[in-house]
Amino acid sequence: EPEVTQTPSHQVTQMGQEVILRCVPISNHLYFYWYRQILGQKVEFLVSFYNNEISEKSEIFDDQFSVERPDGSNFTLKIRSTKLEDSAMYFCASSVRPGDTEAFFGQGTRLTVV
Amino acid sequence: GENVEQHPSTLSVQEGDSAVIKCTYSDSASNYFPWYKQELGKRPQLIIDIRSNVGEKKDQRIAVTLNKTAKHFSLHITETQPEDSAVYFCAATPSGYALNFGKGTSLLVTP
Repeated sequence: EPEVTQTPSHQVTQMGQEVILRCVPISNHLYFYWYRQILGQKVEFLVSFYNNEISEKSEIFDDQFSVERPDGSNFTLKIRSTKLEDSAMYFCASSVRPGDTEAFFGQGTRLTVV
Repeated sequence: GENVEQHPSTLSVQEGDSAVIKCTYSDSASNYFPWYKQELGKRPQLIIDIRSNVGEKKDQRIAVTLNKTAKHFSLHITETQPEDSAVYFCAATPSGYALNFGKGTSLLVTP
């Protein structure tokens, strides 16, 4: 069964450093998403991406965050200058279309900012 | 924006009993309501979803009901088994892109 894959599974970084989280969505999916989950809390929407553009973003997704689809398969989330409060599990997801179909989640990248 | 409230936050049932988790949402534009199950340290996985033109949907031991007038939807698990133990999240999509999740219900099924 096709699945969303994310790398790395765990990333430790120093405060102020840039990190790039990588995702390979399911190949025939057109809509891509990033979510985050702070330990013990709910999953929070960050951004959605379609046709090489951001289609929606949340208040969390400020100027420190950016997304990119650098080639035909990868989808990345960059955090320019990490803060302690960025420590969370980051999930990539993809779907065939938005709004009323299943979003498939990757296994997540646990980001720890020290 | 959409606000999804989920209750209870924890639920403990005996194996074989039923479990019910309830969610309310605020944005009447929401038209898609998925339920995700997340086992410890794993990814959220869809277990059932319902669209706004349907009032109830069932898949084996799992059912979801939707009341659009009251803006609430519920997950029902019958004949619970220990492997049902997990955190369950409801969600709603007002915009068509973002999934707005509830805070989750930690379900424990004891043998």
